[in-house]
Amino acid sequence: AIQMTQSPSSLSASVGDSVTITCRASQGIRNDLGWYQQKPGKAPRLLIYAASSLQSGVPSRFSGSGSDTDFTLTISSLQPEDFATYYCLQDYDAPYTFGRGTKLEIK
Amino acid sequence: EVQLVESGGALVQPGGSLRLSCAASGFTVSSYFMDWVRQAPGKGLEWVSVIYTGGITYYADSVKGRFTISRDNSKNTVFLQMNSLRAEDTAVYYCARDSRFLGQGMDVWGQGTTVTVSS
Repeated sequence: AIQMTQSPSSLSASVGDSVTITCRASQGIRNDLGWYQQKPGKAPRLLIYAASSLQSGVPSRFSGSGSDTDFTLTISSLQPEDFATYYCLQDYDAPYTFGRGTKLEIK
Repeated sequence: EVQLVESGGALVQPGGSLRLSCAASGFTVSSYFMDWVRQAPGKGLEWVSVIYTGGITYYADSVKGRFTISRDNSKNTVFLQMNSLRAEDTAVYYCARDSRFLGQGMDVWGQGTTVTVSS
């Protein structure tokens, strides 16, 4: 199975800051990667698909980049509602695999 | 409105069985890939299974041979049959619409149903 190494596992930032989260795949996955946001007690929400495409309704301060094995999620100008846990997911090959998550906390 | 509603979660003893349901509205499950994803208490997300539009299925290694995904097109519902349950299967189980074949991701999620495996 393809392993997804996500970093950092936690991140502290302030409103207005810009942050970057990375995921590295254990083998090439083209651009078959999505980014999901999850708040406590809630279902995950799709933010980015195909590595860099913004899901409908998601604010433009979220952006994704990368291909093959290295991917990033950038959140610019953090808003209070952005403090959550973020996961990458490779859907290049089954079994699909999530990264271990990045918890974004308010500084 | 496009919606997924899971049901069937319960407290079950180790070795027992359970069937989860995921009822869809606003779209047809047979026209999309459909996934199950779970989250153990305090842990991250774990992908569990997918059923493709053509009926092909895949499973995580941790559930292969014990879980079976299926769908009933007449009820517009996806199921997850879980057998030989273990304590480590305790989790919130989510179903998700998977628009991967359109180049997109899991764009619609249910609210989750809780499975607890304990004696």
